[in-house]
Amino acid sequence: NAGVTQTPKFRILKIGQSMTLQCTQDMNHNYMYWYRQDPGMGLKLIYYSVGAGITDKGEVPNGYNVSRSTTEDFPLRLELAAPSQTSVYFCASSATGNTIYFGEGSWLTVV
Amino acid sequence: DQQVKQNSPSLSVQEGRISILNCDYTNSMFDYFLWYKKYPAEGPTFLISISSIKDKNEDGRFTVFLNKSAKHLSLHIVPSQPGDSAVYFCAASAASYDKVIFGPGTSLSVIP
Repeated sequence: NAGVTQTPKFRILKIGQSMTLQCTQDMNHNYMYWYRQDPGMGLKLIYYSVGAGITDKGEVPNGYNVSRSTTEDFPLRLELAAPSQTSVYFCASSATGNTIYFGEGSWLTVV
Repeated sequence: DQQVKQNSPSLSVQEGRISILNCDYTNSMFDYFLWYKKYPAEGPTFLISISSIKDKNEDGRFTVFLNKSAKHLSLHIVPSQPGDSAVYFCAASAASYDKVIFGPGTSLSVIP
């Protein structure tokens, strides 16, 4: 069972570089989310989507962009990477908007 | 302002005893609450949930209690096992929300 798949698993970026974290789900869920987890800080919502073509900001959207052209895919774009964006990123999806299912995570270091 | 709080960053319990993890919330609009478990280097996994129309939900060794008047919920694990050692996140959502808000987590260590 694939569920929510994120790539890459690990990445090192230099300050000012850009990259896209890919996320795809095969459960036909309408809701998709991007969270980041900083040590001791829990999971903070970056962006979310309630369906293809619809996205909205979460708690910490600055420095990120998203798009949702299909139900399956929800890529997260980092523009002009900064050290403050060093974190673990989790993509998630949900059928109902409450119980959500996470991917394995992407570890990003900005140096 | 943190809407979901877990005031104990860590908890240690002997194997076989009860683990009690606590969570408080501030937003009275929340009507659905969840607990997630996270092992290192893995994504969080859904554990158990409770709707605001209930005050208790049980699934095997895991029971969640909800006290709406106190805006407090707790997760009980009985008996605790070493494999339960993980970080536990409390989360909340509302029918009017499209998102789930997480607390900072509590790291549980079950000592053999």
